[in-house]
Amino acid sequence: EADIYQTPRYLVIGTGKKITLECSQTMGHDKMYWYQQDPGMELHLIHYSYGVNSTEKGDLSSESTVSRIRTEHFPLTLESARPSHTSQYLCASKGVGGPGELFFGEGSRLTVL
Amino acid sequence: GENVEQHPSTLSVQEGDSAVIKCTYSDSASNYFPWYKQELGKRPQLIIDIRSNVGEKKDQRIAVTLNKTAKHFSLHITETQPEDSAVYFCAAALSGGYNKLIFGAGTRLAVHP
Repeated sequence: EADIYQTPRYLVIGTGKKITLECSQTMGHDKMYWYQQDPGMELHLIHYSYGVNSTEKGDLSSESTVSRIRTEHFPLTLESARPSHTSQYLCASKGVGGPGELFFGEGSRLTVL
Repeated sequence: GENVEQHPSTLSVQEGDSAVIKCTYSDSASNYFPWYKQELGKRPQLIIDIRSNVGEKKDQRIAVTLNKTAKHFSLHITETQPEDSAVYFCAAALSGGYNKLIFGAGTRLAVHP
C-alpha cells in the first residue's frame, strides 16, 4: 500500500546516544520533509529535500542531520542526543508539481533522559 | 521568510454550533493555503486547501475563505460534531522552489455534545 512509514514510533534513550529516525515512502514522491512537533502542538520545519542528493535546513535550527541517497528514503540522525531533543518528529512527502497535499507519517516520538 | 499566525489557540463549542479559525500570513507571494486536521495521537491530514486565485472554497460542512489584500484566510466549520474535535493547522506556501509549508501554531477545537 502506498504510504509513508516512520520507525521507530517510540524511542527512549539516554543522553549522548546516537539515534537515527527512519522515514520511507512508497509513493514515488520527490519532495520530503522533516517537521518537529512540540508538545504544545506547533509544527516546525527542520529539514527538506527536493530529490536525491538534495538536502536543506528548514526554518527551525536543529542539531540533527539528514541524507537523501535514495528517492524513497530520508533518515534523520542525531549524533549525540540531549534532553532538549525530546519531541515528536514527523516526516512528510509531496509529489511532483506545484504546491499540494503533504502526506505525513505517523511520527517518531523521541524521549531523551 | 514566511510567518503564519493562527487564532485562537483553543476553541470550545457546543455540538451544532459553528467554529471559525483565522490565520494571517506575512509573505504576499504565498499562493497556496491548506488546512490540516490532527486527531489525538494521529498524523496531520489535509482537509481542505485554497489557492490564491480563489476567494472561497466549500466541501460539505467546511469552507475556507481567503482575503489576499489583507493576507488572511479562515476555516469555517458548520454544524459541528464531536468527531470534529482535533487540532487544526493552517499553512502557507510559495508555488516555486521546494514548496515549503509553513504552519500556524494550531487551534485545539473541542466540540461538546
